[in-house]
Amino acid sequence: NAGVMQNPRHLVRRRGQEARLRCSPMKGHSHVYWYRQLPEEGLKFMVYLQKENIIDESGMPKERFSAEFPKEGPSILRIQQVVRGDSAAYFCASSRDRNTDTQYFGPGTRLTVL
Amino acid sequence: DQQVKQNSPSLSVQEGRISILNCDYTNSMFDYFLWYKKYPAEGPTFLISISSIKDKNEDGRFTVFLNKSAKHLSLHIVPSQPGDSAVYFCAASALGSGGYNKLIFGAGTRLAVHP
Repeated sequence: NAGVMQNPRHLVRRRGQEARLRCSPMKGHSHVYWYRQLPEEGLKFMVYLQKENIIDESGMPKERFSAEFPKEGPSILRIQQVVRGDSAAYFCASSRDRNTDTQYFGPGTRLTVL
Repeated sequence: DQQVKQNSPSLSVQEGRISILNCDYTNSMFDYFLWYKKYPAEGPTFLISISSIKDKNEDGRFTVFLNKSAKHLSLHIVPSQPGDSAVYFCAASALGSGGYNKLIFGAGTRLAVHP
Protein backbone atom coordinates (compact mmCIF):
# COMPACT_ATOMS: atom_id res chain seq x y z
CA ASN A 1 0.00 0.00 0.00
CA ALA A 2 1.86 3.01 -1.28
CA GLY A 3 1.93 6.10 0.86
CA VAL A 4 2.11 9.66 -0.41
CA MET A 5 4.57 9.86 -3.28
CA GLN A 6 6.56 12.92 -4.19
CA ASN A 7 9.00 13.47 -7.00
CA PRO A 8 11.60 14.46 -7.56
CA ARG A 9 13.18 14.03 -4.15
CA HIS A 10 15.85 16.56 -4.97
CA LEU A 11 15.62 19.37 -7.50
CA VAL A 12 18.31 21.88 -8.40
CA ARG A 13 17.43 24.96 -10.38
CA ARG A 14 19.24 28.14 -11.34
CA ARG A 15 17.69 31.48 -10.57
CA GLY A 16 14.99 32.35 -13.08
CA GLN A 17 14.15 28.76 -14.00
CA GLU A 18 10.90 26.96 -13.27
CA ALA A 19 10.44 24.23 -10.67
CA ARG A 20 7.68 21.61 -10.86
CA LEU A 21 7.01 19.44 -7.85
CA ARG A 22 4.68 16.46 -8.06
CA CYS A 23 2.59 14.74 -5.43
CA SER A 24 0.49 11.59 -5.68
CA PRO A 25 -1.79 11.19 -2.66
CA MET A 26 -2.42 7.94 -0.84
CA LYS A 27 -4.91 5.61 -2.44
CA GLY A 28 -8.44 6.68 -1.59
CA HIS A 29 -7.40 10.20 -0.62
CA SER A 30 -8.77 13.11 -2.60
CA HIS A 31 -7.49 16.00 -0.50
CA VAL A 32 -3.98 17.35 -0.91
CA TYR A 33 -2.08 19.91 1.13
CA TRP A 34 1.30 21.50 0.37
CA TYR A 35 3.64 22.73 3.08
CA ARG A 36 7.05 24.37 2.94
CA GLN A 37 9.81 23.99 5.49
CA LEU A 38 12.60 26.52 5.59
CA PRO A 39 15.83 25.59 7.41
CA GLU A 40 15.42 25.41 11.19
CA GLU A 41 11.71 26.19 10.97
CA GLY A 42 8.46 24.28 11.19
CA LEU A 43 6.26 23.43 8.26
CA LYS A 44 4.19 26.30 6.87
CA PHE A 45 0.88 25.67 5.12
CA MET A 46 0.78 26.80 1.51
CA VAL A 47 -2.30 25.46 -0.26
CA TYR A 48 -5.15 22.95 0.06
CA LEU A 49 -6.66 21.32 -3.01
CA GLN A 50 -9.31 18.81 -3.86
CA LYS A 51 -9.63 17.26 -7.27
CA GLU A 52 -9.80 20.10 -9.80
CA ASN A 53 -10.36 22.71 -7.09
CA ILE A 54 -8.20 25.01 -5.03
CA ILE A 55 -9.90 25.34 -1.66
CA ASP A 56 -7.45 27.52 0.26
CA GLU A 57 -4.30 29.12 -1.11
CA SER A 58 -3.87 31.63 1.69
CA GLY A 59 -0.37 30.42 2.51
CA MET A 60 0.98 30.61 -1.00
CA PRO A 61 2.92 33.64 -2.24
CA LYS A 62 0.81 35.64 -4.68
CA GLU A 63 3.54 35.84 -7.28
CA ARG A 64 5.28 33.00 -9.11
CA PHE A 65 3.63 30.14 -7.20
CA SER A 66 0.70 28.08 -8.44
CA ALA A 67 -0.82 24.69 -7.67
CA GLU A 68 -3.20 22.31 -9.34
CA PHE A 69 -4.74 18.93 -8.74
CA PRO A 70 -6.22 17.72 -12.02
CA LYS A 71 -8.89 15.08 -12.39
CA GLU A 72 -6.26 12.66 -13.60
CA GLY A 73 -2.68 12.62 -12.40
CA PRO A 74 -0.72 14.04 -9.52
CA SER A 75 -0.98 17.40 -7.83
CA ILE A 76 1.61 19.88 -9.12
CA LEU A 77 3.22 22.76 -7.27
CA ARG A 78 4.81 25.11 -9.77
CA ILE A 79 7.29 27.83 -8.98
CA GLN A 80 8.16 30.17 -11.80
CA GLN A 81 11.35 32.26 -11.99
CA VAL A 82 12.80 30.72 -8.86
CA VAL A 83 14.92 32.80 -6.49
CA ARG A 84 17.38 31.69 -3.81
CA GLY A 85 14.77 32.28 -1.11
CA ASP A 86 12.64 29.50 -2.62
CA SER A 87 15.23 26.93 -1.50
CA ALA A 88 13.41 24.75 1.01
CA ALA A 89 11.86 21.35 1.55
CA TYR A 90 8.36 21.09 0.10
CA PHE A 91 6.06 18.51 1.61
CA CYS A 92 2.79 17.22 0.33
CA ALA A 93 0.19 15.60 2.58
CA SER A 94 -3.10 13.92 1.83
CA SER A 95 -6.24 13.04 3.71
CA ARG A 96 -9.31 10.98 2.97
CA ASP A 97 -11.78 13.79 3.39
CA ARG A 98 -12.10 17.41 4.37
CA ASN A 99 -12.45 16.85 8.06
CA THR A 100 -10.23 13.82 8.55
CA ASP A 101 -8.10 14.35 11.60
CA THR A 102 -4.87 12.98 10.18
CA GLN A 103 -2.81 14.08 7.24
CA TYR A 104 -0.21 11.69 5.88
CA PHE A 105 2.94 13.21 4.50
CA GLY A 106 5.18 12.34 1.61
CA PRO A 107 8.99 12.28 1.81
CA GLY A 108 9.30 15.81 0.46
CA THR A 109 11.13 17.51 -2.40
CA ARG A 110 14.24 19.42 -1.47
CA LEU A 111 14.58 22.38 -3.83
CA THR A 112 17.93 24.09 -4.14
CA VAL A 113 18.20 27.29 -6.13
CA LEU A 114 21.71 28.18 -7.26
CA ASP B 1 2.61 35.32 14.30
CA GLN B 2 3.46 32.02 15.94
CA GLN B 3 0.21 30.40 16.95
CA VAL B 4 1.95 27.17 17.94
CA LYS B 5 5.19 27.36 19.88
CA GLN B 6 7.70 24.75 20.85
CA ASN B 7 10.09 26.69 23.05
CA SER B 8 12.73 23.98 23.47
CA PRO B 9 14.67 23.51 20.26
CA SER B 10 16.41 20.44 21.64
CA LEU B 11 16.16 17.83 24.38
CA SER B 12 18.62 15.15 25.46
CA VAL B 13 17.40 12.13 27.43
CA GLN B 14 18.98 8.92 28.60
CA GLU B 15 17.64 5.65 27.21
CA GLY B 16 14.92 4.19 29.42
CA ARG B 17 13.98 7.52 30.94
CA ILE B 18 10.95 9.68 30.19
CA SER B 19 11.03 12.28 27.41
CA ILE B 20 8.66 15.21 27.80
CA LEU B 21 8.15 17.52 24.85
CA ASN B 22 6.11 20.67 25.32
CA CYS B 23 3.94 22.80 23.07
CA ASP B 24 1.98 26.01 23.67
CA TYR B 25 -0.69 27.57 21.48
CA THR B 26 -2.43 30.92 21.40
CA ASN B 27 -5.51 30.38 19.24
CA SER B 28 -8.48 29.26 21.32
CA MET B 29 -10.22 28.07 18.14
CA PHE B 30 -7.84 25.14 17.84
CA ASP B 31 -9.69 21.95 18.67
CA TYR B 32 -7.44 19.21 17.39
CA PHE B 33 -3.77 18.65 18.15
CA LEU B 34 -1.28 16.26 16.62
CA TRP B 35 2.31 15.21 17.12
CA TYR B 36 4.50 14.24 14.21
CA LYS B 37 7.97 12.74 14.25
CA LYS B 38 10.47 13.51 11.54
CA TYR B 39 13.75 11.88 10.63
CA PRO B 40 16.26 13.71 8.42
CA ALA B 41 15.43 13.62 4.71
CA GLU B 42 12.00 12.08 5.38
CA GLY B 43 8.50 13.43 5.66
CA PRO B 44 6.75 13.86 9.03
CA THR B 45 5.19 10.69 10.39
CA PHE B 46 1.97 10.91 12.40
CA LEU B 47 2.42 9.78 16.01
CA ILE B 48 -0.59 10.62 18.12
CA SER B 49 -3.42 13.14 18.32
CA ILE B 50 -5.91 14.54 20.80
CA SER B 51 -9.22 16.29 20.53
CA SER B 52 -9.99 19.30 22.69
CA ILE B 53 -12.78 17.35 24.40
CA LYS B 54 -10.17 15.12 26.00
CA ASP B 55 -7.26 15.84 28.29
CA LYS B 56 -5.25 12.69 27.69
CA ASN B 57 -4.66 10.17 24.93
CA GLU B 58 -2.35 7.21 25.17
CA ASP B 59 -0.87 4.91 22.53
CA GLY B 60 1.76 2.49 23.71
CA ARG B 61 4.80 4.38 24.90
CA PHE B 62 3.34 7.72 23.78
CA THR B 63 0.91 9.84 25.80
CA VAL B 64 -0.32 13.30 24.95
CA PHE B 65 -1.72 15.58 27.64
CA LEU B 66 -3.83 18.65 26.90
CA ASN B 67 -4.40 21.53 29.32
CA LYS B 68 -6.92 23.79 27.60
CA SER B 69 -6.96 26.47 30.27
CA ALA B 70 -3.20 26.87 29.94
CA LYS B 71 -3.28 26.32 26.16
CA HIS B 72 -0.54 23.78 26.63
CA LEU B 73 0.05 20.22 25.51
CA SER B 74 2.85 17.80 26.09
CA LEU B 75 4.05 14.53 24.64
CA HIS B 76 5.46 11.91 27.01
CA ILE B 77 7.56 9.04 25.73
CA VAL B 78 8.17 6.27 28.24
CA PRO B 79 10.57 4.53 28.13
CA SER B 80 12.66 6.49 25.65
CA GLN B 81 14.61 4.49 23.08
CA PRO B 82 17.50 5.48 20.78
CA GLY B 83 15.19 5.04 17.78
CA ASP B 84 13.05 7.86 19.17
CA SER B 85 15.82 10.33 18.31
CA ALA B 86 14.20 12.67 15.78
CA VAL B 87 12.57 16.07 15.46
CA TYR B 88 9.10 16.22 16.97
CA PHE B 89 6.53 18.68 15.65
CA CYS B 90 3.41 19.78 17.42
CA ALA B 91 0.55 20.78 15.12
CA ALA B 92 -2.93 22.21 15.66
CA SER B 93 -6.06 22.63 13.59
CA ALA B 94 -9.49 24.18 13.94
CA LEU B 95 -11.70 21.37 12.59
CA GLY B 96 -14.82 22.26 14.50
CA SER B 97 -15.12 25.85 13.40
CA GLY B 98 -16.55 24.82 10.06
CA GLY B 99 -13.08 24.75 8.68
CA TYR B 100 -10.94 21.92 7.55
CA ASN B 101 -7.76 20.29 8.60
CA LYS B 102 -5.27 23.08 7.91
CA LEU B 103 -2.37 22.30 10.21
CA ILE B 104 -0.37 24.97 12.01
CA PHE B 105 3.01 23.63 13.06
CA GLY B 106 5.46 24.52 15.80
CA ALA B 107 9.14 24.90 14.98
CA GLY B 108 9.98 21.45 16.33
CA THR B 109 12.04 19.96 19.15
CA ARG B 110 15.04 17.80 18.38
CA LEU B 111 15.10 14.81 20.73
CA ALA B 112 18.31 12.88 21.28
CA VAL B 113 18.09 9.64 23.25
CA HIS B 114 21.50 8.41 24.30
CA PRO B 115 22.50 5.06 25.82
